[in-house]
Amino acid sequence: QKEVEQDPGPLSVPEGAIVSLNCTYSNSAFQYFMWYRQYSRKGPELLMYTYSSGNKEDGRFTAQVDKSSKYISLFIRDSQPSDSATYLCAMNNNAGNMLTFGGGTRLMVKP
Amino acid sequence: DVKVTQSSRYLVKRTGEKVFLECVQDMDHENMFWYRQDPGLGLRLIYFSYDVKMKEKGDIPEGYSVSREKKERFSLILESASTNQTSMYLCASSLLGTSDYEQYFGPGTRLTVT
Repeated sequence: QKEVEQDPGPLSVPEGAIVSLNCTYSNSAFQYFMWYRQYSRKGPELLMYTYSSGNKEDGRFTAQVDKSSKYISLFIRDSQPSDSATYLCAMNNNAGNMLTFGGGTRLMVKP
Repeated sequence: DVKVTQSSRYLVKRTGEKVFLECVQDMDHENMFWYRQDPGLGLRLIYFSYDVKMKEKGDIPEGYSVSREKKERFSLILESASTNQTSMYLCASSLLGTSDYEQYFGPGTRLTVT
């Protein structure tokens, strides 16, 4: 079993929909949680960064961490075609500088 | 503006060739990483370096080596390329920190070995 699991999708939604992307993990030592967005043929770029449990909001994006369930989510409100990309979750346990990545979920937002 | 650059976007090499992939960052980051990304397997760490001339094996180091002679430059070497090394290679860098673990990625090199 992988340390971080993520449904690969593809997830196809109409423009304007609310999107929910999720990761589950097994290592309870993870404390820092990130979401990266990767457009086709590009490198990943950081979208959201949260520490421990709770919510963080940035514009149309909300990151949610539930450490008791070992579950993190990224919500996208009013989704746009420009949100079409692969979304990767990543985590760190504060014991080194490496990240553990999920496999990524491919999102397609149709106009 | 933060920048990580990779020497080539696309590369085609023959089996058995020695391949060099270069990565340069301009953020004075201590850490540098090499990953490969394959469909269904996600990002897998090949090697990382936390200082000049220092290197640590990642999850899949077999068939690869690295070199870090200068802080801003981290090279990935495929000693004898094989078809199973056809992949997207991503370089990243980050601070040597205790709470800021963000990694900054380059655009990637899509390597095809024939």
